[in-house]
Amino acid sequence: EIVLTQSPDFQSVTPKEKVTITCRASQNIGSSLHWYQQKADQSPNLLIKYASQSISGVPSRFSGSGSGTDFNLTISSLEAEDAATYFCHQSRSLPLTFGGGTKVKIK
Amino acid sequence: EVQLVESGGGLVQPGGSLRLSCAASGFTFNTYGMTWVRQSPGKGLEWVSSISASGDSTYYVDSVEGRFTISRDNSKNTLLLQMNSLRAEDTAVYYCARPIESLRVMTAILYWGQGAPVTVSS
Repeated sequence: EIVLTQSPDFQSVTPKEKVTITCRASQNIGSSLHWYQQKADQSPNLLIKYASQSISGVPSRFSGSGSGTDFNLTISSLEAEDAATYFCHQSRSLPLTFGGGTKVKIK
Repeated sequence: EVQLVESGGGLVQPGGSLRLSCAASGFTFNTYGMTWVRQSPGKGLEWVSSISASGDSTYYVDSVEGRFTISRDNSKNTLLLQMNSLRAEDTAVYYCARPIESLRVMTAILYWGQGAPVTVSS
């Protein structure tokens, strides 16, 4: 099983600040890494697919990078509506697995 | 507009059974593999099971293998999850999910249902 380790677990950030969330895979997954945002009491929402590919309708301040075992999700300028928990997800092999999540709070 | 609407969740005693349904609309259901993902209270996301577009291939996380059965009725655009021998640790919100690409289950998930809460408790 591929284990995904996210860091940090929690981040308190000021609006307009840059946010970087890291996801590390326990083995090489190429670019089969996706990022989701989940707001309180809502279903997850896909932000980035295959490490760095954008998703239609997702604000351009969200971007992804990385390959192999190390990946980043970057929010270039945090907005109040970005308060949420962010998860990474690998689809390289079964079982599909998710990271433990990073909760972003607005200061 | 793609819609995934789960039903069938509820309270069940340990050892009991429950069947979740997911009514799909807004896309050609029989061309997409489908997936169930669950989320325990206050916890992260866990993949549970996936099924191919035709229904011929099914996949499970080890912790539910032999207890849960995923199936689909392509004539009714419905995804099902039969859950038997339920345990307290199966308590979670169960999401029906559709991948971003047709004919694949091992890819990103673009659409999620609103979730069906399942509580296993005596």
